[in-house]
Amino acid sequence: DSGVTQTPKHLITATGQRVTLRCSPRSGDLSVYWYQQSLDQGLQFLIQYYNGEERAKGNILERFSAQQFPDLHSELNLSSLELGDSALYFCASSVGASGTSGGFEQFFGPGTRLTVL
Amino acid sequence: GEDVEQSLFLSVREGDSSVINCTYTDSSSTYLYWYKQEPGAGLQLLTYIFSNMDMKQDQRLTVLLNKKDKHLSLRIADTQTGDSAIYFCAESRSGTYKYIFGTGTRLKVLA
Repeated sequence: DSGVTQTPKHLITATGQRVTLRCSPRSGDLSVYWYQQSLDQGLQFLIQYYNGEERAKGNILERFSAQQFPDLHSELNLSSLELGDSALYFCASSVGASGTSGGFEQFFGPGTRLTVL
Repeated sequence: GEDVEQSLFLSVREGDSSVINCTYTDSSSTYLYWYKQEPGAGLQLLTYIFSNMDMKQDQRLTVLLNKKDKHLSLRIADTQTGDSAIYFCAESRSGTYKYIFGTGTRLKVLA
């Protein structure tokens, strides 16, 4: 158990719909990362927040958005869903944010499996 | 580019050594990591190496870093069936907040 929780575990929805995925980081961790893992794309970095502020953006679509709340939990919102959005979505947390000071170990949650029909 | 590349599959016999390779593109990478993903689970950090090191050993795991060729490898000694998983290398770069993950190598250990 990494200490990172994600809900829901599974989500099945239809094209055009909107969903929200939730992540609670490990106690004391200030950084939250979101990743998308699909069979053909591998693990894609989407976005990172540090202490409530966006720090880095990866391959995140405009239909997707995220935020980190004052209690440090984070939500990833996916809208106008398409079949190709079906994937595993992982949240990870770390105590700090990599940058000029170097890297920090990321602890991954168990993931949310999203199926778009 | 930002690619971190790995071979997709590796198959070894139980008790043999496994070597998983990774190439990265950015010479300013500060930390390089190896993560393990078991079926149905998230990624778990196995080990990491700072970019000014050439080698790091941790029990059955040995990480080798060739900065000149931007090549990272993970050697697993005495590979066990429980080592069957997907292994990801990753890098974090000085001056950015991004982690770049490789494509993952699926290791299959044959009994």
